[in-house]
Amino acid sequence: EDQVTQSPEALRLQEGESSSLNCSYTVSGLRGLFWYRQDPGKGPEFLFTLYSAGEEKEKERLKATLTKKESFLHITAPKPEDSATYLCAVQARNQGGKLIFGQGTELSVKP
Amino acid sequence: DAGITQSPRYKITETGRQVTLMCHQTWSHSYMFWYRQDLGHGLRLIYYSAAADITDKGEVPDGYVVSRSKTENFPLTLESATRSQTSVYFCASRNQGAYEQYFGPGTRLTVT
Repeated sequence: EDQVTQSPEALRLQEGESSSLNCSYTVSGLRGLFWYRQDPGKGPEFLFTLYSAGEEKEKERLKATLTKKESFLHITAPKPEDSATYLCAVQARNQGGKLIFGQGTELSVKP
Repeated sequence: DAGITQSPRYKITETGRQVTLMCHQTWSHSYMFWYRQDLGHGLRLIYYSAAADITDKGEVPDGYVVSRSKTENFPLTLESATRSQTSVYFCASRNQGAYEQYFGPGTRLTVT
């Protein structure tokens, strides 16, 4: 069964304190792994797509990496505006474009 | 660029009533999706559509009906609402050949 597990469930950081969020997955043939950001009361906002092990993507203070079993979202020198829930999702081959989401990591960055 | 919109944004209805949630996208994306988001369950796929007049079930389709007569619209109907359908509903879309999905702002539905 295809599955996505994110850890930790919640993470509190001080401004400038770098850290990483983890997304472990099991899927029968990975087509893509996706990271989203979700602010309270809003829809998920697309951040990155990773397709194969070893791939990396960066955007401002965020960097996503991918291995054959997990993905990391590294946050360098975070700011309070980075506070949000970060969602990881995978798409398996031959699954009609369906995404399977993890439960998310709620990140809080204090000034 | 309006993107993807949902209406209403908030809805309160009674058990047993029929309610329709609307989703509209201006990108002419082929694929459209309906998810529900609940504490403890995350985002779960209800139904999706690969093109007009083509729909398929997701993980939690029971109690829901969809249609897609036009590419840009993908309404979700709860034929007889139950309290367990209280949730936040998100519509999403993606284009053929691309894999990332883009989400609407959501509809918060409460069934009393």
